[in-house]
Amino acid sequence: DQQVKQNSPSLSVQEGRISILNCDYTNSMFDYFLWYKKYPAEGPTFLISISSIKDKNEDGRFTVFLNKSAKHLSLHIVPSQPGDSAVYFCAATPNSGNTPLVFGKGTRLSVIA
Amino acid sequence: DAGVIQSPRHEVTEMGQEVTLRCKPISGHNSLFWYRQTMMRGLELLIYFNNNVPIDDSGMPEDRFSAKMPNASFSTLKIQPSEPRDSAVYFCASSLIRGRAFFGQGTRLTVV
Repeated sequence: DQQVKQNSPSLSVQEGRISILNCDYTNSMFDYFLWYKKYPAEGPTFLISISSIKDKNEDGRFTVFLNKSAKHLSLHIVPSQPGDSAVYFCAATPNSGNTPLVFGKGTRLSVIA
Repeated sequence: DAGVIQSPRHEVTEMGQEVTLRCKPISGHNSLFWYRQTMMRGLELLIYFNNNVPIDDSGMPEDRFSAKMPNASFSTLKIQPSEPRDSAVYFCASSLIRGRAFFGQGTRLTVV
């Protein structure tokens, strides 16, 4: 049973527009959430995170929103750039020491120039 | 720091052969994770170590898979015997701060 779900395998967005990637989770113990970005033939790299005590975290063009009651988070990229084309993984972990991240299956974002 | 280093980057082997994947974590990190990426299952955790001690290996698919971490700077993932369904990209990651894992570039394994 997938505890972290990314229901959209792919997303296409025009350059300059907003990209919205969604993620749902089922485990109520999760309290720290991260987004990773992955280019082909490379490992995932950390992008942005959010703790459950917040509902929004912003870093430049990237903003993550958390809705705890709905067990839903989203990543907004504004404005989208061709270099943002990659696979984005949502990940979560509970507040119990250095436990592993649980990942979704990823969403492939294509930003079209 | 050079980051997490994995070797080899690519491995092609015949069914039934032994395969050993290697990982050097970031110096000072106290947790190490092995993940496998497939189209069907995405990124799934195989096993993780805290302070060189295996904590949870429930993600290891079968007894054919084993992992060791003899010291803080080295870990191996071994598959013996390998099967075609083991073909995937295997990632090693390490971390110090909760949740912020750093990944290696991965080993693409093809079993023919």
